[in-house]
Amino acid sequence: AQTIHQWPVAEIKAVGSPLSLGCTIKGKSSPNLYWYWQATGGTLQQLFYSITVGQVESVVQLNLSASRPKDDQFILSTEKLLLSHSGFYLCAWSLDEEQYFGPGTRLTVL
Amino acid sequence: SQLAEENSWALSVHEGESVTVNCSYKTSITALQWYRQKSGKGPAQLILIRSNEREKRNGRLRATLDTSSQSSSLSITATRCEDTAVYFCATDAHSAGNKLTFGIGTRVLVRP
Repeated sequence: AQTIHQWPVAEIKAVGSPLSLGCTIKGKSSPNLYWYWQATGGTLQQLFYSITVGQVESVVQLNLSASRPKDDQFILSTEKLLLSHSGFYLCAWSLDEEQYFGPGTRLTVL
Repeated sequence: SQLAEENSWALSVHEGESVTVNCSYKTSITALQWYRQKSGKGPAQLILIRSNEREKRNGRLRATLDTSSQSSSLSITATRCEDTAVYFCATDAHSAGNKLTFGIGTRVLVRP
């Protein structure tokens, strides 16, 4: 069975501090991977997607970066957080049209 | 660019009633998906309907697609309290990586 794990579950960070969010997928080989951001009560905005290890495409520029160091791992990071980065970050994987979402990380920037 | 959007912010029904969420989109698509997101959780797919299909069912769920008017609907019959969630439509483009564009979501509240 496939599992998707995101860490941490929640973060409270100060403006200007660095951030690293992680996502791992077990039980699937070479999935497409995605990062989404969701403001409270808002829609899902796709940030990045990756088709293979080492390759990441940016969809929306939000002063964030992403990397895929391993086939089953996707990292979202920034060196300097902004207040506007607060929200719910979701990782997802797919092999075809359907995307399978992780439990998400709640980020609060103060 | 593609825009998928639901046509209502929120809907409220009593348990056992039916509810329909509508969605409109721009540009051509290969498929349209409906997702449900419960509070504090990640979304989960409910139905995928391809551009050459007009209707798709999954248990109490029924999705329709009208490519001429670029619209879709999701109906839920015999609603239950656990159907309370935000419902999103999502469309893809003819592009690599299966990128999806999500609508703004419709909040459905099912009251006892």
